[in-house]
Amino acid sequence: GENVEQHPSTLSVQEGDSAVIKCTYSDSASNYFPWYKQELGKGPQLIIDIRSNVGEKKDQRIAVTLNKTAKHFSLHITETQPEDSAVYFCAASIGGYQKVTFGTGTKLQVIP
Amino acid sequence: ETGVTQTPRHLVMGMTNKKSLKCEQHLGHNAMYWYKQSAKKPLELMFVYSLEERVENNSVPSRFSPECPNSSHLFLHLHTLQPEDSALYLCASSLDREANQPQHFGDGTRLSIL
Repeated sequence: GENVEQHPSTLSVQEGDSAVIKCTYSDSASNYFPWYKQELGKGPQLIIDIRSNVGEKKDQRIAVTLNKTAKHFSLHITETQPEDSAVYFCAASIGGYQKVTFGTGTKLQVIP
Repeated sequence: ETGVTQTPRHLVMGMTNKKSLKCEQHLGHNAMYWYKQSAKKPLELMFVYSLEERVENNSVPSRFSPECPNSSHLFLHLHTLQPEDSALYLCASSLDREANQPQHFGDGTRLSIL
């Protein structure tokens, strides 16, 4: 089955700096890659997603890049703010079968 | 407001008790999911329902019993649980199981087994 590895497990950045979280996946058939943000006491919430026919997608301060050849994808957050502090999960799924495999999460701390 | 509501938010029960977790989605979605979230582990998919039919059961012990009476409601019935079952149980929904659509999560039920 699919295996998703996520790094780093914790990340501390100064407010205003950029943060990058990286994930790799094992099944080349995976074609959908969502990213979720989970705040304390809340469920994961989708922040951005990318499909395999696209190499990069951006939404304001958040961007995701996908390298299908290397089977890795990354989340980039620019101009970080304290409210970006949360746990971030990457995930991969195979089209036509809604089974999502999640990474182990990255706890991001933005220091004011 | 995520559109997916879970109750109760917290539950403490003994190993011999029987309780149920409830999930309701207001998004008009056709697929619903139960996940288990434990510390330091990836989210574990437990059950998938599509149009009220169970389509996946990921080797979950029989002490967990799901029920989906309609496409808006999902239950997880619990009985004779073990201490290792203590975790956050998350419900999610998506538009359609067959397509790559994002899942919308509730805020979970924090379950503690005494």
